Amino acid sequence: QQQVKQSPQSLIVQKGGISIINCAYENTAFDYFPWYQQFPGKGPALLIAIRPDVSEKKEGRFTISFNKSAKQFSLHIMDSQPGDSATYFCAALYSGTYKYIFGTGTRLKVLA
Amino acid sequence: KAGVTQTPRYLIKTRGQQVTLSCSPISGHRSVSWYQQTPGQGLQFLFEYFSETQRNKGNFPGRFSGRQFSNSRSEMNVSTLELGDSALYLCASSLAGRETQYFGPGTRLLVL
Repeated sequence: QQQVKQSPQSLIVQKGGISIINCAYENTAFDYFPWYQQFPGKGPALLIAIRPDVSEKKEGRFTISFNKSAKQFSLHIMDSQPGDSATYFCAALYSGTYKYIFGTGTRLKVLA
Repeated sequence: KAGVTQTPRYLIKTRGQQVTLSCSPISGHRSVSWYQQTPGQGLQFLFEYFSETQRNKGNFPGRFSGRQFSNSRSEMNVSTLELGDSALYLCASSLAGRETQYFGPGTRLLVL
């Protein structure tokens, strides 16, 4: 049972555009929401993360928006670059545990 | 500081065989988590170890098992391999389990 639903499955954006990836969760027992970036042949790498007591977090061109009441969070990549072309995963950590649930991933392609 | 290393990187097995994968965490990290990554399913949590103890387990059959040694290195074992076990197996380490996870490059297992 998929408890974190991620969309879209794939995304094509022009260079300089904004990439938006959305995730929705069902279980309110999550207390940490990281986003990971994965390049082919590599393991995922943490991009940015947020806790549910914060509605937005920005790091450089990457922003997480968090809507606790709607149980949704999203990743915005501003001024998207070809080097951002990768697969992005959202994840959620169960409160009081060490178990992460991941979304199914979004393959982003930024056209030059 | 060296990153997470996984061996072997690639493995081909036949149905019914068993396999052991190894993960060496970042020095000083005591938590090691294992994930199965398949296209369309994203990353699925297998288990997490800390100080040689399994603290959390995902929804995988008993054919999947793991252990952690006193130096924090971890192994996972899959017995009686099935075609559906073909996947990229990732391990991730963190200081104590609820902080940033650092992923290794993965072991790609192909079951014929």
